Amino acid sequence: QKEVEQNSGPLSVPEGAIASLNCTYSDRGSQSFFWYRQYSGKSPELIMSIYSNGDKEDGRFTAQLNKASQYVSLLIRDSQPSDSATYLCAVKGSSYGGATNKLIFGTGTLLAVQP
Amino acid sequence: DGGITQSPKYLFRKEGQNVTLSCEQNLNHDAMYWYRQDPGQGLRLIYYSQIVNDFQKGDIAEGYSVSREKKESFPLTVTSAQKNPTAFYLCASSWTGGQPYGYTFGSGTRLTVV
Repeated sequence: QKEVEQNSGPLSVPEGAIASLNCTYSDRGSQSFFWYRQYSGKSPELIMSIYSNGDKEDGRFTAQLNKASQYVSLLIRDSQPSDSATYLCAVKGSSYGGATNKLIFGTGTLLAVQP
Repeated sequence: DGGITQSPKYLFRKEGQNVTLSCEQNLNHDAMYWYRQDPGQGLRLIYYSQIVNDFQKGDIAEGYSVSREKKESFPLTVTSAQKNPTAFYLCASSWTGGQPYGYTFGSGTRLTVV
């Protein structure tokens, strides 16, 4: 079982719709979760972080965390063609200790927003 | 502006040659990381360093070497022992301790074997 799993996609949504990206993780002690956006040929860019169960909103982005289900998601409202990119989920596991900030990345979900 | 600078952007390696990828950050971050990304694949950790003069192997360290002589710098050498080095190499940095922080990535170096 992979430590951080994402559906590779592509996830295709029409412009203006809500895109829902999902991520599951295996380490039940994981405490910190991050979403990165990566455009083709570019480096990843941090767009959201979440540490507590529930929702966290930032503009058109909402991160949702459910530690009991070991599930984290990213919702993108009013999707735009410029949102078309690969979205990477990253998790800091408990096994790395408090002083280590090593993240485990999923393989990413490719989002395609159709005009 | 603070950030991470990777150079060169493109690099070509001949068979049997060692090459060094540069990574410099002015964010005053403690930790630095090197990842490799192959087409259609996720990020794989090569090496990481939490403090100057100390570093640890990641998941795919064979054929690579690093140094951390200064807090700002974390160069990666791809040695001739790395048989399949063609990939996109990403350097990242972060704070350590307390609430974990996300990484800041450099713009990457694309390495090709010729």
